[in-house]
Parts: sequence; C-alpha cells; structure tokens
Amino acid sequence: AQSVTQLDSHVSVSEGTPVLLRCNYSSSYSPSLFWYVQHPNKGLQLLLKYTSAATLVKGINGFEAEFKKSETSFHLTKPSAHMSDAAEYFCVVSDQGTYKYIFGTGTRLKVLA
Amino acid sequence: EPEVTQTPSHQVTQMGQEVILRCVPISNHLYFYWYRQILGQKVEFLVSFYNNEISEKSEIFDDQFSVERPDGSNFTLKIRSTKLEDSAMYFCASSYRSGRAGELFFGEGSRLTVL
Repeated sequence: AQSVTQLDSHVSVSEGTPVLLRCNYSSSYSPSLFWYVQHPNKGLQLLLKYTSAATLVKGINGFEAEFKKSETSFHLTKPSAHMSDAAEYFCVVSDQGTYKYIFGTGTRLKVLA
Repeated sequence: EPEVTQTPSHQVTQMGQEVILRCVPISNHLYFYWYRQILGQKVEFLVSFYNNEISEKSEIFDDQFSVERPDGSNFTLKIRSTKLEDSAMYFCASSYRSGRAGELFFGEGSRLTVL
C-alpha cells in the first residue's frame, strides 16, 4: 500500500536561506511522486513531479526535489527562500496502476524577513 | 491556460440537506477526482472516476456520497444528507493519465459549511 510521511509539520526559514522540506514514501510498486503547494485560501498547484525519468527533478519557482529509492525519500529544496514561498506544501504519491493519489499531512513553510 | 473550475466557491447548508458540488474538469482529461480537506487537516482522497464509473473510492466515500458525469463537461459530487462533519473544503481534480506522469490539476475548491 502506498503512503507518504512529511516529517515536519512546520518549517521556518529566513528569507534568502535554503529550504528543505522532507518527505518519505512507502510504495508497493514503482511510484510517481509529486509536490504541491497551497497558498492561503487557494487551490493546489503542482510544483514538480517524478515519474521514473531523471532522479533530480526541477520545478517551478526554483524548487527541486531528488528521488532517492534507497532512502525512499523525495525531499523538496530551494537554495534561497522568498517571502512569497510561505505556504503549505504537500508531498503526494501514486502507485503505478492505481487511480489513487495519497497526500502527506503537509508542511507549513514560514519565511521570516 | 486550461483550468478546473468549481462551483459554488462557498455553500452553507443545514444538517440533513442535500448538497451538490459541481466541477468542470479540463476538457481533454479522462480521469476525475474528488478530495476533501477539513480545516487544518490533510487532503483526503474521496473518489476517482474514469470511463463513466468509479474506479476507486476511500472509506470516507460511503452511501451518503455519489458522483456523476451528467454530460460531457460537468463532474458532480452529491452529499445526500449532510452531517456537521462534512464541513470541509472539497477539491475537484482531473488528469489526462492516471498514476505515472499523470499529475492532478486542481480547482480552487468549494467550501462547504454544515450548520
């Protein structure tokens, strides 16, 4: 069965410093992995996806994530945080052959001036 | 840019009333989904729909819930007799493919408040 664990419910960083949001997954088959962002009172926007091509995936707004099968991780990073990055971030897993996408519990990113 | 649209953006209803939430998925997408997010909690899968039938559903999606694609463009979620605990943000999503390479495109959500 597929599941995803986001290790931090809240992360605070100063503007201009690196961001690391952690995600570990469990999957029976070869998973697809996604990161979504949700700004306050808004819908969910795709940041990036991993679908078995390159293990380092680049997304929008300078975010990237690395798929590490040996560690079952898909951590999201950004070299330099911007105030506009403050939002809730969700790691999502989907197994091949399933119609279900499972969300992690989310990590709220706070960016301090 | 194509987008998923949802109506209404906010609905207030009395407990026991029926509610229909509407979604217009992206036009060439084949897979449709409903998710819900209770305030401050995680985004939960409700149901997926493909080829005019439910392909998968969660334990949350009990007999009170139903989905329908009444025409070529709309995708609806009906809650037959609402309970207080149905209060949540409901997100519709669509995708061209399922699983691998098939990222979900979400609407802005419909906030349901049950009094």
